This record gives sequence, structure tokens and C-alpha cells, in this order.
Amino acid sequence: SQTIHQWPATLVQPVGSPLSLECTVEGTSNPNLYWYRQAAGRGLQLLFYSVGIGQISSEVPQNLSASRPQDRQFILSSKKLLLSDSGFYLCAWTRGTSYEQYFGPGTRLTVT
Amino acid sequence: GQQVMQIPQYQHVQEGEDFTTYCNSSTTLSNIQWYKQRPGGHPVFLIQLVKSGEVKKQKRLTFQFGEAKKNSSLHITATQTTDVGTYFCAGHQAGTALIFGKGTTLSVSS
Repeated sequence: SQTIHQWPATLVQPVGSPLSLECTVEGTSNPNLYWYRQAAGRGLQLLFYSVGIGQISSEVPQNLSASRPQDRQFILSSKKLLLSDSGFYLCAWTRGTSYEQYFGPGTRLTVT
Repeated sequence: GQQVMQIPQYQHVQEGEDFTTYCNSSTTLSNIQWYKQRPGGHPVFLIQLVKSGEVKKQKRLTFQFGEAKKNSSLHITATQTTDVGTYFCAGHQAGTALIFGKGTTLSVSS
């Protein structure tokens, strides 16, 4: 069966510090991978998605970036965090664009 | 661009009452998906509708896809406290990423 992991579960970072969030998927190959952000009590904002190694599509221009160094690994990064980067970051995978998405447990990021 | 609107934003019901959330798209969708997010948790896939006019049931939950494939609804019969959470619809148009509605947050008092 497929499993998706995210870490860390919670993170408190000062403004201006760097960020690296990691997501890995087990039990499948060549998944489509997604990064979402959810502000408190709000909907899901798609940040990045990837259909293959090294292929990243950005949905929202901001100070975040994503990379996919391996087939089942997706990384979200920032060089300098802003207060507005606080939120619940969710990674998801799917077999293809028309299929259901499976979400990881998420990372709660607080920028202070 | 493509938008998926969901109403209401919040809904409070007494346990045993029915609940419905509605989803509307500005464009025709190839399919629509529904997810549930429990408080403090992550979204979990519930169901996908593909055909025009499709109706699917999962126990007390009834999902409908409109004839024009632009709207959908989720109806819960006789709500229970375990139904608490945020329900998201997500529309998919061919060649585009899934677009999520902003969700309807359901609270249930016993």
C-alpha cells in the first residue's frame, strides 16, 4: 500500500530564516506530487506541483520554491521566511491529474 | 481562470438534522471530488463523480453531480458528531490541476 510522509510535523521559525520541508511517498512510482498551503480556517492554496523528477510548476509567485530530486521526494524551501508564510503545509500525491489525491499529515509552520 | 465556489462557509446543526453543502464551477468539469478534513487533520478523499447527473451514496452521505457538470452537492442525513469537519469539493478540468473550493465547516451539537 502507498504511504506519504511529511516532516517535521510542527515548526516554529523566526522571520528571515530558511525553510526546508520534505515529503516522501512509498509504495508507488512516478506519482504526481503537490504542495498546498492552508491558512488557519481557510481553504487549500496550491503552491507547486510536479509530474516528474526535476519538473516543477508554480501556481503562486512568492518567496517559496520546490524541488523534486528523486521520483518520490518533494521538497519545499524558502531562503527567507516571511510572517505571511505561516500556515499548514500539505503534501499530496496522485497517480495522475484526474485521480484522487492523497494527503500527508502536514507541517504546521509558525513564523515569529 | 477556473473557480470553484462552495457554500455555505460555515454550518451549525443539531445532531440528527440534515446538512447540505453546494459547489459551483465557472466552467464545465471533467470530474469533481469531495474531501473531508477533521479538525487538526489533513484532507481525506471521500468520492469522485464523473458522469453528468451522477448520484453516489456512502451510508448517510449522498453526492450529486449536476447535469451540466458545473455543480455538485453533498448531503448528510441525520448528522452525527463524527461528521464534524470541513468538507471540500475539488473540480478537475482536463489539462489543469485540481481546483479546491474553500470548504464548508460543519459543527454539530448533541
